[in-house]
Amino acid sequence: DTGVSQDPRHKITKRGQNVTFRCDPISEHNRLYWYRQTLGQGPEFLTYFQNEAQLEKSRLLSDRFSAERPKGSFSTLEIQRTEQGDSAMYLCASSGLAGANTGELFFGEGSRLTVL
Amino acid sequence: DAKTTQPPSMDCAEGRAANLPCNHSTISGNEYVYWYRQIHSQGPQYIIHGLKNNETNEMASLIITEDRKSSTLILPHATLRDTAVYYCIVRYPGNTPLVFGKGTRLSVIA
Repeated sequence: DTGVSQDPRHKITKRGQNVTFRCDPISEHNRLYWYRQTLGQGPEFLTYFQNEAQLEKSRLLSDRFSAERPKGSFSTLEIQRTEQGDSAMYLCASSGLAGANTGELFFGEGSRLTVL
Repeated sequence: DAKTTQPPSMDCAEGRAANLPCNHSTISGNEYVYWYRQIHSQGPQYIIHGLKNNETNEMASLIITEDRKSSTLILPHATLRDTAVYYCIVRYPGNTPLVFGKGTRLSVIA
């Protein structure tokens, strides 16, 4: 499968615990995006990388959230001290430069987080 | 915030054309119109985009009004697999991220 891969697909955790999600973009895509989606809403932008550089962060990305893309390939999104309001689907997307300029992003199937 | 307005839901009979409207009255000259869809439990999927001319691909057609204040996505022969939430997005090309609204939930009925 050469699409965007996300792991784990589902995560249930207790409030206060830390969780980490991983995203493997399409090979050779140099842009990688993280979005969050709650029930009944459209995806909300969190942050994006071009290669290993984090170029933009949304105000939604509080200091409990950190994203990395250390070698410009896969990315991780960590949430520290989770809260019930963090329960959501976390979506990753990637694009090549041409795709980013034309608006064509390729999304993974998401990682669903449930905080008890 | 999303710059588009879409009806929250629509129904379409299987085999008929589905016409999904989108209002973007504040669109600026360099902003493109994009359509994505999201089938239940999957990530969004790119459908089509355009600037001012009508566009067609294997999935759909995009009709943009001459004043560019509204557009319509047309699925010519809707199937049950087209049941999804459809998002209309306006965006400058380049670095700006896609901003999704709530979209239109299209139900294709047998």
